[in-house]
Amino acid sequence: AQKVTQAQTEISVVEKEDVTLDCVYETRDTTYYLFWYKQPPSGELVFLIRRNSFDEQNEISGRYSWNFQKSTSSFNFTITASQVVDSAVYFCALYTGRRALTFGSGTRLQVQP
Amino acid sequence: EAGVAQSPRYKIIEKRQSVAFWCNPISGHATLYWYQQILGQGPKLLIQFQNNGVVDDSQLPKDRFSAERLKGVDSTLKIQPAKLEDSAVYLCASSLESSGRAGGGELFFGEGSRLTVL
Repeated sequence: AQKVTQAQTEISVVEKEDVTLDCVYETRDTTYYLFWYKQPPSGELVFLIRRNSFDEQNEISGRYSWNFQKSTSSFNFTITASQVVDSAVYFCALYTGRRALTFGSGTRLQVQP
Repeated sequence: EAGVAQSPRYKIIEKRQSVAFWCNPISGHATLYWYQQILGQGPKLLIQFQNNGVVDDSQLPKDRFSAERLKGVDSTLKIQPAKLEDSAVYLCASSLESSGRAGGGELFFGEGSRLTVL
């Protein structure tokens, strides 16, 4: 079975604060891929990053960074110096090859000006 | 490049009525997915097509939901008869890579079709 847990339902921060969104996953497969998607109010899911299970290097893209730790089955996402435009629902997702993407329940991020 | 197109964007029906949603994936994308997203939840896969064949429909409530992808391009998802619990956003996505290849490929999503069942 595969499962993705995003324990934080909603987070509210003030602009320029850093914020970390947590993601914990479960799978018995040794090869898998982890994703983060952003869903703005318009509703369309926007791809942010894909990481395979053999690459534990952290990744930074502008204000976004991801911390993948197999030992704790976590793939956390940090936004540095948050902006109002970052307000959205963020989904973590898992792909193992047995089934298409399995999504977590999402974390709603509200960035106040 | 045109994205994934879905219609209608919004639909309101009464329970026991039927409804159909249409999806046109990105040109050249072999794999097409239908996801159901209930308010406050993450998307849940309903069905996955590879060209015009079904790869995974294990979570599709087949007594009331049906989907087809004739000719391996656009797809239709139908609900008949609808129940109150079918109120959700129905998301269509497509990917270039097949489900069997590494990573499943990046999925490109449409804006969704929001269904309200009264």
